[in-house]
Formats: sequence, structure tokens, C-alpha cells
Amino acid sequence: DAGVIQSPRHEVTEMGQEVTLRCKPISGHNSLFWYRQTMMRGLELLIYFNNNVPIDDSGMPEDRFSAKMPNASFSTLKIQPSEPRDSAVYFCASSLGLAAYEQYFGPGTRLTVT
Amino acid sequence: KNEVEQSPQNLTAQEGEFITINCSYSVGISALHWLQQHPGGGIVSLFMLSSGKKKHGRLIATINIQEKHSSLHITASHPRDSAVYICAVSSNQFYFGTGTSLTVIP
Repeated sequence: DAGVIQSPRHEVTEMGQEVTLRCKPISGHNSLFWYRQTMMRGLELLIYFNNNVPIDDSGMPEDRFSAKMPNASFSTLKIQPSEPRDSAVYFCASSLGLAAYEQYFGPGTRLTVT
Repeated sequence: KNEVEQSPQNLTAQEGEFITINCSYSVGISALHWLQQHPGGGIVSLFMLSSGKKKHGRLIATINIQEKHSSLHITASHPRDSAVYICAVSSNQFYFGTGTSLTVIP
């Protein structure tokens, strides 16, 4: 398997623009996680899905952030409108289940909002 | 108060030294995860454990459920072990430590 695939790998955008990050989980995994990592705050869990259903979105910082998982092989994280403080590396991870299963991380998307 | 505390925050060691990174947590958990992140790199899951001890090559992870404590040991450390090591616990939520930055000097 190719592992978790994220696109784009790098994104530079201007403040106010819409940003969409994409993730393809490992085939057969039924849980998907979106994380944000910054120097200041470290690794933060934003939202996670199980069987395409959002389970906990309490980590989503603001209404500007939204995530969808229309099917088992694809998820998006959207920021609209983007702000400079959204600049971070966004990781997607997938696993065979929730709490007691190993997570496999994608390579991340480095987002810069100017 | 953080649900997961790691120590030390930073660690420098000479090549060949035995290294220990500690993780304490305050919540009930289903599992504890040790993650590794190289500078500028992605995140790799090293271990997931809910009891006892696991070993993979030069890496050993232990957990004491009663004491709510886990340790990650690296034997015969090597410069390529230089990375940030993150402890995370999962229950009905996920909690992360702030990471331990390890530098192994040749």
C-alpha cells in the first residue's frame, strides 16, 4: 500500500483565500484523523472520523475550519477564509480503529498564509 | 494542567549512550502511543501499547498502568535517532505530550 496520501505537500496562499487540504487514507482503514502542528502549540488533533462519520470535532479551532469525509477513501479539510495564524503543518492519519489502534501518518501539508 | 507530561523536554546524548524518555498521564487510557518525528519530516508511530513492554530493534517501550507512566528507551543511541519523540494517549479522547527533542552527537 502507498500509505496515507496527502495533497498538496506545500500550499502558499494569501489571507482571506479558501484552502482545501486532501487526504487519502490507507485502504481498509476505517478511522481518519486530522492534526495541526505548530512550533507554539505542538501537535493538535482537530477532528476524527470513524466509518466516514465525524466523531469528535472539538479540536477544530473555529468555524472557518470544516472537514468532510464523503467516502472511505477521501477526506478534505477546508479553511475559509484563511488567516496567517493558520500557517502550520497539517497531518492526516488513518487507522483500523479508534483508541487502541496504531495510526499511520501522511507526509503532511505545509500551509503558509501570507 | 496537561493530561500528558513528558520529560525531559530536550536531551543531548553522546553516540552509544542509553537514553530514557518519560511520559506520565493523568487520564484513563485505552492505549499509549510513542511517535517519532525527524526534523522537517513526517510522523512515524513507533509503539502502541496498553500494558507491559514492547521492543523493536534498539527501541523499548514500557508502560505501568497503575502508575500511569511510560518510558521509551533507546539502547546504543545513534545520530540518526535524533528526532522529536511524542507521547500520546487515547481514551475517549486523544491527548498529546509536547515532545522530547533528542540530539545524539557522534
